[in-house]
Amino acid sequence: GESVGLHLPTLSVQEGDNSIINCAYSNSASDYFIWYKQESGKGPQFIIDIRSNMDKRQGQRVTVLLNKTVKHLSLQIAATQPGDSAVYFCAENISGAGSYQLTFGKGTKLSVIP
Amino acid sequence: GAVVSQHPSRVICKSGTSVKIECRSLDFQATTMFWYRQFPKQSLMLMATSNEGSKATYEQGVEKDKFLINHASLTLSTLTVTSAHPEDSSFYICSAIPGPTNTEAFFGQGTRLTVV
Repeated sequence: GESVGLHLPTLSVQEGDNSIINCAYSNSASDYFIWYKQESGKGPQFIIDIRSNMDKRQGQRVTVLLNKTVKHLSLQIAATQPGDSAVYFCAENISGAGSYQLTFGKGTKLSVIP
Repeated sequence: GAVVSQHPSRVICKSGTSVKIECRSLDFQATTMFWYRQFPKQSLMLMATSNEGSKATYEQGVEKDKFLINHASLTLSTLTVTSAHPEDSSFYICSAIPGPTNTEAFFGQGTRLTVV
């Protein structure tokens, strides 16, 4: 089987196409979710967030969907551009816990083909 | 958005020496800072939570005597890797939370540590 710890899932898309990156989160008590973009050798960059009282939130070219029933989060990127090539992480938080800690998912590498 | 700066961005040290990494919030005061470690092609793993003026809280499996964290001011937290070994080579990332009403995490650019 796949050793997720050694190999990031990779998604390759053609420039201009839409990308969908998925994430399964672990804690049913989590109520705040964030998507981050990480370029090689850099820290994570905030993309978009969503709270558990919503199931969809849109930003510029990005949409996050949340399905609490199956603990699934997705990030949709419209009209994917070469500059979108990076590793994308979802992160979860229990906002009421007061700790502000984020738990990161395993990440997906997005490669955009020009 | 708010800016968090890490220094150095890259460091190479000899095995057995100690290395200090700084994390600064440049335009806000951070009540809480976090330190993460990231191995190649893996996710960010939380090492410790650092609160200004108090002892850091370490995650299970992280040696507090090896990874010394000091959060002496509201704009600076430091991570010192003591007696570094090659297996400590990794990408270390900090984040800062303005808190308590603003809980968005702002990340530094990371520090690539190579122990030879």
